[in-house]
Amino acid sequence: GQNIDQPTEMTATEGAIVQINCTYQTSGFNGLFWYQQHAGEAPTFLSYNVLDGLEEKGRFSSFLSRSKGYSYLLLKELQMKDSASYLCAGLDSNYQLIWGAGTKLIIKP
Amino acid sequence: IAGITQAPTSQILAAGRRMTLRCTQDMRHNAMYWYRQDLGLGLRLIHYSNTAGTTGKGEVPDGYSVSRANTDDFPLTLASAVPSQTSVYFCASSDGGSSSYNEQFFGPGTRLTVL
Repeated sequence: GQNIDQPTEMTATEGAIVQINCTYQTSGFNGLFWYQQHAGEAPTFLSYNVLDGLEEKGRFSSFLSRSKGYSYLLLKELQMKDSASYLCAGLDSNYQLIWGAGTKLIIKP
Repeated sequence: IAGITQAPTSQILAAGRRMTLRCTQDMRHNAMYWYRQDLGLGLRLIHYSNTAGTTGKGEVPDGYSVSRANTDDFPLTLASAVPSQTSVYFCASSDGGSSSYNEQFFGPGTRLTVL
């Protein structure tokens, strides 16, 4: 079956760094997405990885290891506005997104 | 209109009633999707459309139907609502359809409560 696993909740301190992990099993693989979702709002796109390695985009970076079925999202210099849920999603062989349940990130001052 | 709009924003519905959730995009995207989001379960695909005139079933299609008469609109109909359909419903769209990089853009969601 297809499955995306990520931690349910994480807590971090303002100004610090946090890494949110995601492991995936999909039927075929056409890339890995990360989305951010603030409470009561729609998900918004953060990153897409299809090749192994690290993609950096400002304070956010995303890493992919296809051999390990593993990705992480790295958030640096955390700000209070980064409090949100972070959704990991794998793109399967039919180009359909398989979504994880999301990681709720709580930022403390 | 900029992006994707959904209507209504929220709705309380009696069980057994018929309900259509509306979704319109102005980005000329080929593909459109309907998801439901329930606490602890993440987003689950209900139905999708890779291009106008075609639709497909997702992970949880039972009790729902869709149509795609044109590029912009993708309504979702609950023929006879049941309490288990209480959820937040998101419409999304993407360019490229079924064979390419597939960043999805989401509407603001419809919060549906079935009593």
